[in-house]
Amino acid sequence: QLQLQESGPGLVKPSETLSLLCTVSDGAFSNNDYYWGWIRQPPGKGLEWIGTIYYTKNTYYNPSLTSRVTMSIDTSKNQLSLRLTSVTAADTAVYFCARAGPLYCGTAKCFVSNWFDAWGQGALVTVSS
Amino acid sequence: QSTLTQPASVSGSPGQSITISCTGTSLDVDNYDIVSWYQQRPGKAPKLIIYEVNKWPSGISARFSGSKSGNTASLTISGLQAEDEADYYCSSYATGTNFHVIFGGGTKLTVL
Repeated sequence: QLQLQESGPGLVKPSETLSLLCTVSDGAFSNNDYYWGWIRQPPGKGLEWIGTIYYTKNTYYNPSLTSRVTMSIDTSKNQLSLRLTSVTAADTAVYFCARAGPLYCGTAKCFVSNWFDAWGQGALVTVSS
Repeated sequence: QSTLTQPASVSGSPGQSITISCTGTSLDVDNYDIVSWYQQRPGKAPKLIIYEVNKWPSGISARFSGSKSGNTASLTISGLQAEDEADYYCSSYATGTNFHVIFGGGTKLTVL
C-alpha cells in the first residue's frame, strides 16, 4: 500500500525558507502515469493547492505562490521536496504531500489531475519568531 | 480568481440521504468531468471519495455518489451513518486553466 510521510521543521521564522520532504514507499514512482502534489491547510481553514510535479520534473504551481515555491522530485531517493521562501504567518498550515492522478484528457485539451488519491498524514509548520 | 462555493454546513439523520452542492463558473466550461470530492475527518488527511464527477476510487462505498449539471456539482451521501460526519471539499480548476487546482470552502456534515 502506498505510503507518504512528510518531514521537516515544525517552526520557521518569518522571512525565512520553509523546507519539507515527503518520503514515499518503495516503488511508488515506478508508475509514470501518476503525478505528485503538495496541498496545505491553515489551522481551522480549507485546503489550498500548492503545486503538482511529474517525474520528468515538470512543475505546475499555484499562481498565488509561484514566485516563492519550488518543488522537486528525486525518484532514486523516493522523495519529493517543497521549498517556500519569504514565509509569513499566513503560511502557517498543515502541509500535505499526495499522489495525483494521471493526466486527464478530454476532446480538446488535457488537465493536470485535480484528484489526489493517497496522502501523507501532514506536517504542521508554524511561522513565528 | 475562480471560486467554488459550498454550503458551510449540512445535517441529516442516520439512514437519510443528503446532498452537498459545489457551484462555480469554472464547472460549466467545455463540459469536462473535472470535479472531485474529499472527506476529511478531524485531525486526518483528506480522503478522495469521488473523482471525475462520478467515479469511485478503490474501496469507497457506493453510498457516495457524484453528479454535475451546468455550473453545479453535487455529492450525495445515502444511508447516512455516524462515521460520515466530517468535512467535505469539492475540487476543480480555476477558470481558463488546465492545471490550477482549486478547492471549495468545505462543508461540515453533522449526523444528528
